[in-house]
Amino acid sequence: AQSVTQLGSHVSVSEGALVLLRCNYSSSVPPYLFWYVQYPNQGLQLLLKYTSAATLVKGINGFEAEFKKSETSFHLTKPSAHMSDAAEYFCAVRRNTPLVFGKGTRLSVIA
Amino acid sequence: ETGVTQSPTHLIKTRGQQVTLRCSSQSGHNTVSWYQQALGQGPQFIFQYYREEENGRGNFPPRFSGLQFPNYSSELNVNALELDDSALYLCASSLGAGDSQATGAFFGQGTRLTVV
Repeated sequence: AQSVTQLGSHVSVSEGALVLLRCNYSSSVPPYLFWYVQYPNQGLQLLLKYTSAATLVKGINGFEAEFKKSETSFHLTKPSAHMSDAAEYFCAVRRNTPLVFGKGTRLSVIA
Repeated sequence: ETGVTQSPTHLIKTRGQQVTLRCSSQSGHNTVSWYQQALGQGPQFIFQYYREEENGRGNFPPRFSGLQFPNYSSELNVNALELDDSALYLCASSLGAGDSQATGAFFGQGTRLTVV
């Protein structure tokens, strides 16, 4: 079975500060990993994905994530937060299964 | 924009009623999955259709059923609605087989269902 744990249901950062959203996964097979963003009253938008190529993955809006097999982690980072980054972020895993999502982390950005 | 469209965007139903939600998948995608997202939670997998056949189901009762049509669009039907069925219902389309799963899934904007 596959699962995802997102540490911290709510993260608050100042505008211009580093964003770090944590995700740990569990999978018995090499996983595909994804980060999605959800703005209020919207569906999910794919930010980036890891598919066993480069371990450092760059996505849209300046986000990136690093796959660390030894730590079973896939944390999402952005060097400088912008007000428009305020949203809910979901980490997800799949491999021969439907997407399995974490519970999400709400990112607040303070001016 | 993902190319996945869902209708309606909002819906209010009474407990015990039945509801049908619709989804048009992205061009070229043969797999449609449905997810339920309760308030403050991550999406939970309901079921998946691949080439008109259900090929995976989450922990949801049989009153949740679906269809996929030859053009790969899909419906989610819920019978005997309960108050706890109130949620955002998300449709996702993807390429379902093998390493094509690596492309991820593309989501529609969702249907907000309120059961009163």
